[in-house]
Amino acid sequence: KAGVTQTPRYLIKTRGQQVTLSCSPISGHRSVSWYQQTPGQGLQFLFEYFSETQRNKGNFPGRFSGRQFSNSRSEMNVSTLELGDSALYLCASSSEWGASAEAFFGQGTRLTVV
Amino acid sequence: EDQVTQSPEALRLQEGESSSLNCSYTVSGLRGLFWYRQDPGKGPEFLFTLYSAGEEKEKERLKATLTKKESFLHITAPKPEDSATYLCAVQDNAGNNRKLIWGLGTSLAVNP
Repeated sequence: KAGVTQTPRYLIKTRGQQVTLSCSPISGHRSVSWYQQTPGQGLQFLFEYFSETQRNKGNFPGRFSGRQFSNSRSEMNVSTLELGDSALYLCASSSEWGASAEAFFGQGTRLTVV
Repeated sequence: EDQVTQSPEALRLQEGESSSLNCSYTVSGLRGLFWYRQDPGKGPEFLFTLYSAGEEKEKERLKATLTKKESFLHITAPKPEDSATYLCAVQDNAGNNRKLIWGLGTSLAVNP
């Protein structure tokens, strides 16, 4: 059974640019959650999608957005990048929404903003 | 405000030296407490979910326990392969907001 796949693994962008990250969940999982991980703040919840609908949202500015497609794949977009957006972005998939079930994480996308 | 504090920040053990990691939390009502393990360069890997005070779960050398204010992850006779960062997260049962609040983790190093 294939795990959660995130692409790309590494990304370098310039301040002011925008970026799109992709996450393919485990087959059959309909929930995808996104997190930002930094050494000082730890894991911070961005949003969760279930069956193409956003079910939960964290406390991030509107520059951070996401969507989920009918095949459960999800994308996250960050516009007008800032230096502080440099982080490891993780997605997690599960069979149910709201952390009711075990979540499986991808290896993450390491974003560096210069 | 929901809060999760993990201690210690870092722990170094000799192989076979048992110890415990702590996760203290503040929530209005606990829906669930989760333990994950994260290796460098990888995403977190699920270990346990605990739902009510007094509950315990075990997996190999790991045992997680839960009280009304904190959870412990006991590591018995650890091996070098247990070296990782251990993360704790809690879920509040207030309303319909089911997002997880994460601690900063305990970085465990087990020396052979």
